[in-house]
Amino acid sequence: LAKTTQPISMDSYEGQEVNITCSHNNIATNDYITWYQQFPSQGPRFIIQGYKTKVTNEVASLFIPADRKSSTLSLPRVSLSDTAVYYCLVAPGAAGNKLTFGGGTRVLVKP
Amino acid sequence: EPEVTQTPSHQVTQMGQEVILRCVPISNHLYFYWYRQILGQKVEFLVSFYNNEISEKSEIFDDQFSVERPDGSNFTLKIRSTKLEDSAMYFCASRQGGAGELFFGEGSRLTVL
Repeated sequence: LAKTTQPISMDSYEGQEVNITCSHNNIATNDYITWYQQFPSQGPRFIIQGYKTKVTNEVASLFIPADRKSSTLSLPRVSLSDTAVYYCLVAPGAAGNKLTFGGGTRVLVKP
Repeated sequence: EPEVTQTPSHQVTQMGQEVILRCVPISNHLYFYWYRQILGQKVEFLVSFYNNEISEKSEIFDDQFSVERPDGSNFTLKIRSTKLEDSAMYFCASRQGGAGELFFGEGSRLTVL
């Protein structure tokens, strides 16, 4: 299973763009990259998933370079409510796989 | 919007007691998971379940843990003889296919005294 490395924490201000990079040097050919958000005392919540290049949805963008050894979650114009822990997961798209969370990045959005 | 529901939201138990945590996954989902999160720590994988059997489990998921899907709607985690270190938030999750979004419940907080 691919190991992921993310910054432990990041601070930002309301209205700014936040970019969190996750390293996954030993990603396998059939691995997907998925990001989750977790607020205190709540279950993680899916944000976005991608395999290569760029994926965008209504809340975030995910940039994956050609070698797929890293990925960057981009949160445009963050608000105070985006203060949370963000987790990068790398796992194969196979049945019953062991989806392992790393340490996550604690993002603090300040006014 | 369909959601994963978990009960109880909080359970307090004495060390050595058995605990059953219950989950109702989203109805058309086929893959089920239990995770735990000790206060202030990361989310830890316990077990995945598909086609009525365990497909993966972590080293945490030892003989004191078991999972069951007794009736086609509930998915339970049993801790046979609780220890102090089992105190944590336990999250159930499910997903429809082998890849894609995991849907998590709100968690069951277990406190072992």
